Amino acid sequence: AQKVTQAQTEISVVEKEDVTLDCVYETRDTTYYLFWYKQPPSGELVFLIRRNSFDEQNEISGRYSWNFQKSTSSFNFTITASQVVDSAVYFCALKAPPMDSNYQLIWGAGTKLIIKP
Amino acid sequence: NAGVTQTPKFQVLKTGQSMTLQCAQDMNHEYMSWYRQDPGMGLRLIHYSVGAGITDQGEVPNGYNVSRSTTEDFPLRLLSAAPSQTSVYFCASSYGVATGQETQYFGPGTRLLVL
Repeated sequence: AQKVTQAQTEISVVEKEDVTLDCVYETRDTTYYLFWYKQPPSGELVFLIRRNSFDEQNEISGRYSWNFQKSTSSFNFTITASQVVDSAVYFCALKAPPMDSNYQLIWGAGTKLIIKP
Repeated sequence: NAGVTQTPKFQVLKTGQSMTLQCAQDMNHEYMSWYRQDPGMGLRLIHYSVGAGITDQGEVPNGYNVSRSTTEDFPLRLLSAAPSQTSVYFCASSYGVATGQETQYFGPGTRLLVL
């Protein structure tokens, strides 16, 4: 069975601190995709990143970085020098290829990130 | 390019009423889907479509119907609303289904309250 676990229900930090959001996944597929989405207080879902299972290279985009480790089945998300605008709920999701799935994204429960000024 | 649009943004229904949530995309995406989001939970798939004329059930399909007569539109119908269907509904679309590398783009959501 496929599963995504975001154990941190809520994280609160002071602005400019670094913060890491954890994501642990389970799948028997050898080829899969991992995603992070952001949901700000306004409610929309914003795509942040997609990572293929065969590419373990870490990625950095501005203040955002992602650490993908297949050995621990984790895909953690770090925000450096956090800002109040980063306050949102962040979702990690898992997707297996079409030939093995019903096109379903498996979602974690989300981590609510609160950045205090 | 409007992306994925949803109407209405907010709706109040009485138990037993029916209604249709509209979803449209102008990106010529093959794949469209409906999710519901409940407090403290991730999104759960209701129905999805891999192309015009093709639909299938997701994780929580009961009480909902869909159709896909065109590539652009994917309406979700509540047949007889129940309080358990109070939720936020998101429509999503994506390309690249055949390769598995699809990234789903979401509409702004419809907040539904069933009394």
